[in-house]
Amino acid sequence: QVQLQESGPGLVKPPETLSLTCTVSGGSISNYDWSWIRQPPGKGLAWIAYISHSGSTKYNPSLKSRATISVDTSKNHFSLTLNSVTAADTAMYYCVRVGGSPPVHAFDIWGQGTMVTVSA
Amino acid sequence: QSALTQPASVSGSPGQSITISCTGTSSDFGSYNLVSWYQQYSGKAPKLIIYEVNKRPSGVSNRFSGSKSGNTASLTISGLQAEDEADYYCCSYAGSITWVFGGGTKLTVL
Repeated sequence: QVQLQESGPGLVKPPETLSLTCTVSGGSISNYDWSWIRQPPGKGLAWIAYISHSGSTKYNPSLKSRATISVDTSKNHFSLTLNSVTAADTAMYYCVRVGGSPPVHAFDIWGQGTMVTVSA
Repeated sequence: QSALTQPASVSGSPGQSITISCTGTSSDFGSYNLVSWYQQYSGKAPKLIIYEVNKRPSGVSNRFSGSKSGNTASLTISGLQAEDEADYYCCSYAGSITWVFGGGTKLTVL
């Protein structure tokens, strides 16, 4: 079955750029839509970004255009960059699959998460 | 986009039923019946347990059920078991390819 694995640096300095990759195994990335979700320590989940199987994208307005999501079908992975990071971006970052039909518009497969700390 | 409102904590004894509410606005839920619920054990990734308000993915116990009335969605867990102790999050598709989560509810099994 499809599995997701996040990778990226655990520590980023402000105001640098955070870059994460999610490798998809057990299936083709082209068949589904994908998202990134984050969870600050001790807090709740927050949806960050979405990319469709055709490459269209959508972002949480609260990120004020700092986020970019992209797909590399040749490597079967998708990525997230977040620029001008601050301590408020410290969180566990999850890559997730957006369910097809069904489950419609639900996040049905999750990576294990990667912790990113923003600190000088 | 504000987070959906969930109680911070709920508790129940083994065998009992508990309900977790998830309240939003009409713009959060829209005209969609696209509410999902996630179970998260401490230190683990969330797991989808309910989608489209009241549907269960394969392998999820039928002790978990969902409903929605107006701008409030609910998750009910019947026959509470010790293994149900976890955090639970609601999520709604809010239209225009955006999603909003609830703040999460910590379930304690007494």
